[in-house]
Amino acid sequence: DIQMTQSPSSLSASVGDRVTITCQASQDISNYLNWYQQKPGKAPKLLIYDASNLETGVPSRFSGSGSGTDFTFTISSLQPEDIATYYCQQYDNPRLTFGPGTKVDFK
Amino acid sequence: EVQLVESGGGLIQPGGSLRLSCAASGFTVSSNYMSWVRQAPGKGLEWVSGVYSGGSRFYADSVKGRFTISRDNSKNTLYLQMNSLRAEDTAVYYCARGLVPGIWDYWGQGTLVTVSS
Repeated sequence: DIQMTQSPSSLSASVGDRVTITCQASQDISNYLNWYQQKPGKAPKLLIYDASNLETGVPSRFSGSGSGTDFTFTISSLQPEDIATYYCQQYDNPRLTFGPGTKVDFK
Repeated sequence: EVQLVESGGGLIQPGGSLRLSCAASGFTVSSNYMSWVRQAPGKGLEWVSGVYSGGSRFYADSVKGRFTISRDNSKNTLYLQMNSLRAEDTAVYYCARGLVPGIWDYWGQGTLVTVSS
């Protein structure tokens, strides 16, 4: 199975800060990488698909980049409603795998 | 409007069986890639199983041989038959629709399975 790692595991930031999360795959996954947001007690929500494509209706302050094994997720200006856990997920292999998650909260 | 509603969770003893259902509306289950994803209490997301529109099925190693994914086209419903349940299967189970295989654009609200004596 393809292993996904994320860093950091958690971070604290202020409203308006730029937030960056990295995700690394254990092998080349091209751009078959998605990012999800999950708030407590809620189902995950798709934010970015194919590494850099913004899902319809998702604010433009969210963005993604990367290919191969190294990927980056960015919130350009953190808003109060962005407090959540963020997961990367690969779909290069039919046995899909998630990263361990990055919890984002306020400083 | 696309909706997914899971049911069938509950408290079950180790070694027992449970069948989860995911009733879909607003789209056709058999025409889409569908998955089950779970989340143990306080833990991250874990893909459990998926079924392609063509019928191919895949399972995580942790459930292979114990869980079976299926669908009933007449009821537009996805199922997860879970046998030989273990304590480590305790989790909220979500069903999700694939925009394409591997990209989930719609999720249900989840159903909690607790395996405990």
